[in-house]
Amino acid sequence: SQTIHQWPATLVQPVGSPLSLECTVEGTSNPNLYWYRQAAGRGLQLLFYSVGIGQISSEVPQNLSASRPQDRQFILSSKKLLLSDSGFYLCAWDGDFTDEQFFGPGTRLTVL
Amino acid sequence: KNQVEQSPQSLIILEGKNCTLQCNYTVSPFSNLRWYKQDTGRGPVSLTIMTFSENTKSNGRYTATLDADTKQSSLHITASQLSDSASYICVVSVNTGGFKTIFGAGTRLFVKA
Repeated sequence: SQTIHQWPATLVQPVGSPLSLECTVEGTSNPNLYWYRQAAGRGLQLLFYSVGIGQISSEVPQNLSASRPQDRQFILSSKKLLLSDSGFYLCAWDGDFTDEQFFGPGTRLTVL
Repeated sequence: KNQVEQSPQSLIILEGKNCTLQCNYTVSPFSNLRWYKQDTGRGPVSLTIMTFSENTKSNGRYTATLDADTKQSSLHITASQLSDSASYICVVSVNTGGFKTIFGAGTRLFVKA
């Protein structure tokens, strides 16, 4: 069966510090991968998606970047965090022949 | 413009009661509609998925309906339990050559004892 992992679960970082969140998927190959952000009490906002290694599409301009160094690994990064980067970050995957997206457990990021 | 709107924004009900959540969309061309349940601090988990030809689907005490003509969906929860307290998110996918999934803002449900 497929599983999706995210870490860390929670993170508190000072403004201006770098960020690296990691997401990995097991039990499937060539998944489509997604990074979402969810502000408190708000809906999910798609940040990046990737259909293959090295292929990244950005949905909104922002202070963040994404990379996909391996087929089942998706990384969300920032060189300098802003207060507005605080939120709940979710990684998700789906396949070309699946009907739904499967979400990871999420990372709660607080920028102080 | 592709949009998914959910109502109410939040809802409080007593344990054992039924409730219905609404989702209206202006997405075109429609591919499928999904309802997710998201517990606080967790990732969303799929409850139901419906394509254009399906107008109802059940998952235990959860029953989703879809009216593709009026572009409306509802999620009915029967005999609510405390564990039903969560956000319920309506998600609509667009059938284009590229990826497009539109998320509603969710309905926050509180079930009280």
